[in-house]
Order: sequence, then C-alpha cells, then structure tokens
Amino acid sequence: EVQLVESGGGLHQPGGSLRLSCAASGFIFSSYELTWVRQAPGRGLEWVSYISSSGSTEYYRDSVKGRFTISRDDAKNSLYLQMNSLRADDTALYYCARVGRGDNYFDYWGQGVLVTVSS
Amino acid sequence: QFVLTQPPSVSGAPGQGVTISCTGGSSNIGAGYDVHWYQQLPGTAPKFLIHGNNNRPSGVPDRFSASRSGASASLAITGLQAEDEADYFCQSYDRSLSGWVFGGGTKLTVL
Repeated sequence: EVQLVESGGGLHQPGGSLRLSCAASGFIFSSYELTWVRQAPGRGLEWVSYISSSGSTEYYRDSVKGRFTISRDDAKNSLYLQMNSLRADDTALYYCARVGRGDNYFDYWGQGVLVTVSS
Repeated sequence: QFVLTQPPSVSGAPGQGVTISCTGGSSNIGAGYDVHWYQQLPGTAPKFLIHGNNNRPSGVPDRFSASRSGASASLAITGLQAEDEADYFCQSYDRSLSGWVFGGGTKLTVL
C-alpha cells in the first residue's frame, strides 16, 4: 500500500525557516517524481514544487522561488521541502504527492502537515 | 486568481447527475495538456479521481467520467449519492508558468 506521511509543520514567525519531511512507503521511491502541493485554510489547492525521479530537475511556483528548496533522499525514501524567509501567505496545509506515471497528475497524497506563519 | 476556472458550487438530488466545468486557456488545457480531477471529502486529503481522457484508478466508480474540448474540461457525476458530497478540483499543466495549475474547486452538495 502506497503511503506518504508528512511531518515538520507548526507555528513559525515571519522570516523564519523550517523543513518539511515526507516519508514514503509501499512503492519504489527512486522511480517516481514527487511534488508538494499546499492548501490555505478554506481555499483551493496550489502546486508548490516538483522534483524529478533522479533529483536533477526541480521546479517551483514563482511565489516561492528563491525561498523554498525541494530535495529527496532515496536511501531514506524521503522527500523534503526547506522553507526559508517564511511569509504569512505561506500559511497552509502542505501535502506531498506522487506524480503518476506517464502524465502530469498526482496519484497518491499524504495526509498533509499544517504550517502557520504568524508573529 | 486560479488559472483554471471552476464554478464555486453545484448541487443535485440523490440519483440525479451533475457536471462540473473547468475552463483554462491557450497555455494549459487549450495547449493540449490533459486535465485531471480530484475529490476532497471534508477534512481529508485530496484523492485522485480521474486522469486524462476518462482514466479512473481502481475503486473509482464509473459514475464519474471526464471529457475535454478545446480549452475546457468537465467532470460528470451520475446517480448522485450522499457520499459524493465533497470538493472537486481540476488540474492541468501550464507551459507559460512551467508548472502545474489547479482550479479553485467546486463544492458539490447532494440535496
């Protein structure tokens, strides 16, 4: 059974940093592209970042470029999101998701981890 | 604010059918990128529902179907059941943004 479990959220001050983790199981982690998607309270879904299966390619939405860094550790079956220079509008539930084979969709999602940025 | 446009809400009685639209532009759906759909039950993570041209993962009933025409797509749900009450999101890829885009979501109410 495919499982994705996020951790590392919490309350952080504007300008601060944190690292989200996503522990994966139930599939060959190194073979899949992965992504982070966020959802502000009561709002819709917003794609944040993508990493290729090899880790050599990364993409980010404009609002997080230069502040967030996605990475993966295939030996630990884990995906990460380093978040720096946090802003109030980064407040959201952050989901890690697996990119489905052959197309740009997300076939498995974690349960999400809440990040709150507030002073 | 969302690149893909969905109606905020739709409703239907049990047993009836509804359609949820998703309108994009020339850099996403209109450029030929597939549209995918997700269901989010209250208080839960999104669940993958349909990808591309009506490809459903195992466990998703055939009451759910998708189509695409030009720069728009739609999700049709027939034989509405109370358990279908959820938020539904469309998603595609945008070549101008070099990233994935979602619709704002549509809340389905089963009357």
